[in-house]
Parts: sequence; C-alpha cells; structure tokens
Amino acid sequence: AQSVAQPEDQVNVAEGNPLTVKCTYSVSGNPYLFWYVQYPNRGLQFLLKYITGDNLVKGSYGFEAEFNKSQTSFHLKKPSALVSDSALYFCAVRDGKLIFGTGTRLQVFP
Amino acid sequence: DVKVTQSSRYLVKRTGEKVFLECVQDMDHENMFWYRQDPGLGLRLIYFSYDVKMKEKGDIPEGYSVSREKKERFSLILESASTNQTSMYLCASRVNSGANVLTFGAGSRLTVL
Repeated sequence: AQSVAQPEDQVNVAEGNPLTVKCTYSVSGNPYLFWYVQYPNRGLQFLLKYITGDNLVKGSYGFEAEFNKSQTSFHLKKPSALVSDSALYFCAVRDGKLIFGTGTRLQVFP
Repeated sequence: DVKVTQSSRYLVKRTGEKVFLECVQDMDHENMFWYRQDPGLGLRLIYFSYDVKMKEKGDIPEGYSVSREKKERFSLILESASTNQTSMYLCASRVNSGANVLTFGAGSRLTVL
C-alpha cells in the first residue's frame, strides 16, 4: 500500500533561516506527491505537487520541494522562513485517493 | 473564487444524537471526500464519492454514512454520535482526472459530550 511518513512532529526555525520539512514515501510505481499547508482554524491549502519531470518543484509562497527517488523522499524547503509560515504541513501521496502523512508543525520564531 | 463550504464550523452534540455535516462545492467537481483530522494521526479518509449517488468507504467508515444526491453536495451522517467521534471534519472536492489537487473546506469541529 502507498504511504507517506513525516518523521518530525515539530520543526522550529528562526525567521530568515532556511527551513526543511521532511517527507518520505513508499509507493509502487511512479508516485504523485503533494504538500498541503493548514493555517490555524482553516482547511488545508495546496502548496505544490510532483508528477513527473524536474525533481525540484516550485510552489506557492516561495516553497519548493525536492523529489529524490533513491532516498524515496520529498522534502519541503524554503530558503528564508517567515513568521507567517508557521502552520501545520502535510505531505500526501495519491493512490486513487490521497493518503496523508501525520503532519509537521512548523514554528518560525522572530 | 471557487469554494468548498461546510455549513457548520462548530457543533456540540450529545452522545446518541444523529448528526449531519453538510458540504457544498461550486466548482462542478465530480469527486468529493470526507476526512477527519486528529492530532498525531493526520487526516484519515472516512468516505468518498466519485459521482452523484456513488459512495465508497475510506479507511475509517465505521459509525458514519454519507449521501450524495446532487453533484455539488456531499453529506456526512453520524447515525448515533459517540464521544470518540469528537474531531475536526474536513470536506474536499476535486476534478476527476489526472493528479488534480483537492480543494478543502474550512472544516467542522464536532464535540460529542
């Protein structure tokens, strides 16, 4: 069965520093991978997706993600974190329907 | 602006009550989904529907049912609410093709006392 894992419950980073939110996947065949973000008291919002092609995918709000087939990873990155990036981030893989990870809370400190 | 609207943001119900959670989308999407979100467990799929009058069980359908009589509306029903159904419920929709993304509603936070 397809699955994703987010090994960190929380990531803390200082504003202006680069951030990474980790995701690893387990799929058969070529994966469709996604990142979503949830701000407080809101539904999930789409950030970016990987289907095929360039391993570096750019998305909303300056985020990007790197697909690494050999490490079965799809880590979310941003070169310079903002306090407003503080939110809950979910990695997901499509297996007909979307299967979500458990989420990583990103806290950006001023 | 396209939307998925969940009519109730906060509900408080008593054990044994029948609960209806309503979701409406205005994007003419074929697929609709109900998830529940719990801390440390992420999102878990309850039920989904690929088209009108169609429904499929997700990963945790026990204690829930759904109704999709019209394309734009997907209702989640708790026949007899229990305290372990206290959760955040998220509705989502998507076009039925390719790797299209889900559009989520703002969520319905249900507390069962």
